[in-house]
Amino acid sequence: QVQLQESGPGLVKPSQTLSLNCTVSGGSVSRSGYYWTWIRQHPGKGLEWIGFAYFSGSAYYNPSLKSRVSISVDTSENQFSLKLSSVTAADTAVYYCARVWGTYRVVEYWGQGTLVTVSS
Amino acid sequence: QSALTQPPSVSGSPGQSVTISCTGTSSDVGSYDRVSWYQQSPGTAPKVMIYDVSNRPSGVPDRFSGSKSGNTASLTISGLQAEDEADYYCSSHTSSSTLVFGGGTKLTVL
Repeated sequence: QVQLQESGPGLVKPSQTLSLNCTVSGGSVSRSGYYWTWIRQHPGKGLEWIGFAYFSGSAYYNPSLKSRVSISVDTSENQFSLKLSSVTAADTAVYYCARVWGTYRVVEYWGQGTLVTVSS
Repeated sequence: QSALTQPPSVSGSPGQSVTISCTGTSSDVGSYDRVSWYQQSPGTAPKVMIYDVSNRPSGVPDRFSGSKSGNTASLTISGLQAEDEADYYCSSHTSSSTLVFGGGTKLTVL
């Protein structure tokens, strides 16, 4: 059973970079056919796909966030990470890391989510 | 990319059937069968209920079914139970190789 766990600061100051890590257990981030993804949910709102990355280095991002976001996979640590630059209060949300089964583009496994608040 | 369109809310009585629609475009739902549905209860991470339009993962009751016609996908829950009350989201692969979610639908079991 694949498990994912987000980690990182729960509070980030405006204009700074939000950085989160996701530790994967029960499976390898190097396994072919799976994308490692970040999804966020603003308080009381719906899900927003941020982007996903493959272990080979390729990545795809939500066009609305593309200029500020970077997702990378660390095969040595079996982790992947999210960096979102120039954050504002509008980036306050619960951030989920998850695994996408590439063939069907389905989000199979989710982390529990971590709340990140942007505030001075 | 624009979010897929879902009704904000639907409701039904126990034992009844409800259908939630998810409308996209020819760049996502209309061109690919890579449509999934997720159930989210308060304070928890979403759980996949349907993938590839109509496939159920192991453990999901067969009361949940999915279909698609043109640019609109649908999730039908038959034999509604109190435990089905939750938020439901659809998602689709897009022609840009991205993923897009619907705005979500709150299901109330009366």
